[in-house]
Amino acid sequence: DAKTTQPPSMDCAEGRAANLPCNHSTISGNEYVYWYRQIHSQGPQYIIHGLKNNETNEMASLIITEDRKSSTLILPHATLRDTAVYYCIVRVGPQGGSEKLVFGKGTKLTVNP
Amino acid sequence: NAGVMQNPRHLVRRRGQEARLRCSPMKGHSHVYWYRQLPEEGLKFMVYLQKENIIDESGMPKERFSAEFPKEGPSILRIQQVVRGDSAAYFCASSLISGNTIYFGEGSWLTVV
Repeated sequence: DAKTTQPPSMDCAEGRAANLPCNHSTISGNEYVYWYRQIHSQGPQYIIHGLKNNETNEMASLIITEDRKSSTLILPHATLRDTAVYYCIVRVGPQGGSEKLVFGKGTKLTVNP
Repeated sequence: NAGVMQNPRHLVRRRGQEARLRCSPMKGHSHVYWYRQLPEEGLKFMVYLQKENIIDESGMPKERFSAEFPKEGPSILRIQQVVRGDSAAYFCASSLISGNTIYFGEGSWLTVV
């Protein structure tokens, strides 16, 4: 079973920041937070991951709370092409075993013109 | 760099026939995962393989489904005697080493008529 909780849906205006929350209150010290998204009829796309520090790449920023029980994915300037289901997944890191990603229901983000 | 390549992208089979789905991982990746997504449902883990070894098949149906990842060549997901309930999108993913970031292909859509 997925170990994260996400709102089922969110809306965002085009050009504004989209902030997607995720709760992972039972996360272990060696588990990373991963974010993927799935645009309709496409394969899941890796976005970003982190352990405890905030992370940023060309797609998004990941903010992890100090107690690591929740995180927020930020898309700084959402476009219509960011409309997708976003999945927050906790997973043990390299050499930690438990290799598979367990997908929950995710958040359906709709970016509106 | 080429991503995870899956073929065929679309496959139609009559009930009782066999379906073979192929997956070539990203260059240098030796870990392969298969996921299934039924219509309007989430992504479900099926099997995790390394070269010539099945590591975790906890999500594979007990009958008719098999997977392999030979020393040479792509990974194959084989479904024997297909039924209408096998109609789904099948996604392959790969990673470089255990616990590393997993990257997905674009999927193979199986339709059983």
